[in-house]
Amino acid sequence: QKEVEQDPGPLSVPEGAIVSLNCTYSNSAFQYFMWYRQYSRKGPELLMYTYSSGNKEDGRFTAQVDKSSKYISLFIRDSQPSDSATYLCAMGRGKLIFGQGTELSVKP
Amino acid sequence: GAVVSQHPSWVICKSGTSVKIECRSLDFQATTMFWYRQFPKQSLMLMATSNEGSKATYEQGVEKDKFLINHASLTLSTLTVTSAHPEDSSFYICSASEQGTEAFFGQGTRLTVV
Repeated sequence: QKEVEQDPGPLSVPEGAIVSLNCTYSNSAFQYFMWYRQYSRKGPELLMYTYSSGNKEDGRFTAQVDKSSKYISLFIRDSQPSDSATYLCAMGRGKLIFGQGTELSVKP
Repeated sequence: GAVVSQHPSWVICKSGTSVKIECRSLDFQATTMFWYRQFPKQSLMLMATSNEGSKATYEQGVEKDKFLINHASLTLSTLTVTSAHPEDSSFYICSASEQGTEAFFGQGTRLTVV
């Protein structure tokens, strides 16, 4: 079993839709949870950074962590074509364990 | 967020030659730097962790003699792919962290070995 599981997609949605991206993990010791956005042939860009359980909101993005279920989510409201990218969940501090990444396409 | 600069952004080299990739933290002191490799449609796989002034710690299955890592200063780490072969072609990404806080990534280097 991989430490972090993420549905690779691809996921295609119309512009304006709400997008839900998810990861599950097996190591209960993880305390720091991140979501990165990666455009093709570019390095990952940090979107959201959450410590322990709970919700965090930043503009159109909301990150949720449920440590009891070992499940994290990223919601994107009012999705835009510019949100089309690969979204990677990651866990750890400094040394990160990544999910496989979900390829998202937002159609105009 | 902090800025991490990686150079070059892409490189093509002949099989058997060596290639050096630089990773610089521009506005903070990177006590720890990480090197990842990413194949198409796959996630980032950690290759090694380097602390300034110390030998790098390599992940299982990564050849330390092939992927030489140097972290001689708090703002610069280098990855040298020695005697590169076509199977080493990949996207290499570094990240840098100050005192174990969140890590920031470079833009990545696309290596093609022909």
